[in-house]
Amino acid sequence: GQQLNQSPQSMFIQEGEDVSMNCTSSSIFNTWLWYKQDPGEGPVLLIALYKAGELTSNGRLTAQFGITRKDSFLNISASIPSDVGIYFCAGFLFGNEKLTFGTGTRLTIIP
Amino acid sequence: EAQVTQNPRYLITVTGKKLTVTCSQNMNHEYMSWYRQDPGLGLRQIYYSMNVEVTDKGDVPEGYKVSRKEKRNFPLILESPSPNQTSLYFCASSPYPGGRRETQYFGPGTRLLVL
Repeated sequence: GQQLNQSPQSMFIQEGEDVSMNCTSSSIFNTWLWYKQDPGEGPVLLIALYKAGELTSNGRLTAQFGITRKDSFLNISASIPSDVGIYFCAGFLFGNEKLTFGTGTRLTIIP
Repeated sequence: EAQVTQNPRYLITVTGKKLTVTCSQNMNHEYMSWYRQDPGLGLRQIYYSMNVEVTDKGDVPEGYKVSRKEKRNFPLILESPSPNQTSLYFCASSPYPGGRRETQYFGPGTRLLVL
């Protein structure tokens, strides 16, 4: 099955820093999603993007649907301790009826 | 409270001993799905179900079975578990139709170890 390439695999940052991560695919998607997984829990949807070029914010989080429909980006501004976790991108193609997930970016905040 | 529940949360078993992981949702969702999560591989879909008695394979269905006899329940069955099925399993549901099917709500996960 197809997988999405997500980078970086891990990030070690200090509180207050901005974070950027991205996801690329060899094929197009109709929808791009970003999830966050806290330790010991299931992923939770953060942002959903439905149109190429769309830029959507959720608090300090901003995500973009790439114009080519083959990539997406997530930015977190002014990181705080509760941002720690694993971030997953996911793509959805109508008619395919399934989400394809990226490999995840593990975010750690250094005290 | 709207939620997806899985049981058990942790399971240690031996090769070849049949097991079932249950999944239940109380949101009247029609779409349900199972994923496995492995380090460096993200989440991969095992099976999904669009409605009662309608199931289909995801990306990694080998070694797994599912059933959907009721809307709220979607059990995952491992008829003869093997060590390569050691993983973290998530059940998810979404409000499709009547909502966006990509808006999936995940359960808390079941960590399985097959010896």
